[in-house]
Amino acid sequence: AQKITQTQPGMFVQEKEAVTLDCTYDTSDQSYGLFWYKQPSSGEMIFLIYQGSYDEQNATEGRYSLNFQKARKSANLVISASQLGDSAMYFCAMREVTVTGNQFYFGTGTSLTVIP
Amino acid sequence: KAGVTQTPRYLIKTRGQQVTLSCSPISGHRSVSWYQQTPGQGLQFLFEYFSETQRNKGNFPGRFSGRQFSNSRSEMNVSTLELGDSALYLCASSLDRAYYEQYFGPGTRLTVT
Repeated sequence: AQKITQTQPGMFVQEKEAVTLDCTYDTSDQSYGLFWYKQPSSGEMIFLIYQGSYDEQNATEGRYSLNFQKARKSANLVISASQLGDSAMYFCAMREVTVTGNQFYFGTGTSLTVIP
Repeated sequence: KAGVTQTPRYLIKTRGQQVTLSCSPISGHRSVSWYQQTPGQGLQFLFEYFSETQRNKGNFPGRFSGRQFSNSRSEMNVSTLELGDSALYLCASSLDRAYYEQYFGPGTRLTVT
């Protein structure tokens, strides 16, 4: 089974509108971390936002917020007031702590295009 | 604070050759992970190093190896290169806690001809 599932290969949003990128995860651990990364065409992965499995409040970082629904195992990214510079690939990721160390799992990504 | 650095940024090699990629983590980060990113397979985990020891390894052949030095800098080596090894290789560092994110370097784009 996939650890991280992103069902939207591509999304379009009008500039200044909000957009939600979906992410569901699969783990039997109680302690884990969820992350979102942005990858522009330049290739570098940019950390956006983090949510811990024990955090009761949804994480927010500027225009980014993470809609964390633990029972549904979903961790959707909400980008408010989209900007042209938000056009990029977005990856959802999960970190599990194993006996031997840390393991990160990444989804297949969602390509976001912001339309002027 | 300086970010994760990777060298070289671009590399062109011929089938059968060997290549070594380098990664310097953020100061204080002792965990270094390597990933291979291709259009077809997405982002795939190669291995993780912590305190000079490989802790986790992804599902890659033995041609892919790595090491970590006492200063946490890490190298990744690919021997007997194949065309399918053409990819963006990303290095990421993090603190050794479940609640800390990984910070990625700019990547090394390897082309095998």
